[in-house]
Amino acid sequence: DAGVIQSPRHEVTEMGQEVTLRCKPISGHDYLFWYRQTMMRGLELLIYFNNNVPIDDSGMPEDRFSAKMPNASFSTLKIQPSEPRDSAVYFCASSTHKSSGANVLTFGAGSRLTVL
Amino acid sequence: SQQGEEDPQALSIQEGENATMNCSYKTSINNLQWYRQNSGRGLVHLILIRSNEREKHSGRLRVTLDTSKKSSSLLITASRAADTASYFCATGRDDKIIFGKGTRLHILP
Repeated sequence: DAGVIQSPRHEVTEMGQEVTLRCKPISGHDYLFWYRQTMMRGLELLIYFNNNVPIDDSGMPEDRFSAKMPNASFSTLKIQPSEPRDSAVYFCASSTHKSSGANVLTFGAGSRLTVL
Repeated sequence: SQQGEEDPQALSIQEGENATMNCSYKTSINNLQWYRQNSGRGLVHLILIRSNEREKHSGRLRVTLDTSKKSSSLLITASRAADTASYFCATGRDDKIIFGKGTRLHILP
């Protein structure tokens, strides 16, 4: 398996533009997590899905952020409109309970977003 | 909050020495995990300890968990240059995984 695949790896955009980040989880994993990492706030959980259904989106900062998982192999995180304070590295991670009985996360390489 | 807090924030030791990092949290948990992050990379899972376990070993890693004190420690023995990274504890409650801010470990040659 190629692991968790995120795209784009880097994105530079201007304030007000729409940003879409993409994630392909590991095949067979039934949980998908989106995190945001900054120096100031560390790793923040934004939202997570189980079997493509959003379970907890309490970490989504505001209505400008939305996430979808239309099928088991694809998820998007959208920011519209983007603001400079959204600049961060966004990580996607997937997991399954089947082997360990707990969510052991496999992370993607991250998408580094810079909003000018 | 559930979020773990690592201590110290940064640690520099000589190669070959042992490194100890601590994590404290506030709410009840099902499990606690430790992850490593090399600069510019995603996090990599190191070890998981369940709430009914007190100690686990994996190679040069030793993790302890004290649920009465709501704390955990990660010990890396005989450190190597390749251990230079940030280390995060992550608390698991139900299905939710929350990370602390991490400890930056630097191994000096």
